[in-house]
Amino acid sequence: KAGVTQTPRYLIKTRGQQVTLSCSPISGHRSVSWYQQTPGQGLQFLFEYFSETQRNKGNFPGRFSGRQFSNSRSEMNVSTLELGDSALYLCASSWAGTSGVYNEQFFGPGTRLTVL
Amino acid sequence: AQRVTQPEKLLSVFKGAPVELKCNYSYSGSPELFWYVQYSRQRLQLLLRHISRESIKGFTADLNKGETSFHLKKPFAQEEDSAMYYCALRARYNTDKLIFGTGTRLQVFP
Repeated sequence: KAGVTQTPRYLIKTRGQQVTLSCSPISGHRSVSWYQQTPGQGLQFLFEYFSETQRNKGNFPGRFSGRQFSNSRSEMNVSTLELGDSALYLCASSWAGTSGVYNEQFFGPGTRLTVL
Repeated sequence: AQRVTQPEKLLSVFKGAPVELKCNYSYSGSPELFWYVQYSRQRLQLLLRHISRESIKGFTADLNKGETSFHLKKPFAQEEDSAMYYCALRARYNTDKLIFGTGTRLQVFP
């Protein structure tokens, strides 16, 4: 079956603009998580959605928001972009969003955001 | 505070040499730990998790609660093992939230 897909793969924006990134989880997966990956900070958790509800949120400013649709697809939005928002944004999905040997998270290829 | 520490940014070995990538964690409770790997130009993927007690591609990792460690080991490194390795901790039972270490780049020379 198809893996996690993210669109767009690359994005260039300028400071002050806003951006929306999209993630399509593996079919049947109900949990979607987002991470920001930068050389300096590594992989940092942004938020997690399960059945359209935000279940967890990381320590990011309110400019970062997200949502999940009834088909489990998820979007994240960053408003008023700053230079420091330049990063690779990864999405991951799993079936159950919980512990257990049968629940594995699968990562997408990421969206590379560059803020000029 | 929940934290994962990978003290080495880079580990270089020759093919056939043993490999140990270190991971220490800070967590109050029963942790669930993972090793993820990212090969060049590929997406992040799960290598192994402590609850499965499995060996993947010759790699093993044992959870040591006394030393709060989850080191990744392989007795004989292969060139194809060259990649970025991340240790991660599941924050709670009922969540997919992972806390990642900063990663260790493993270089295996021929």
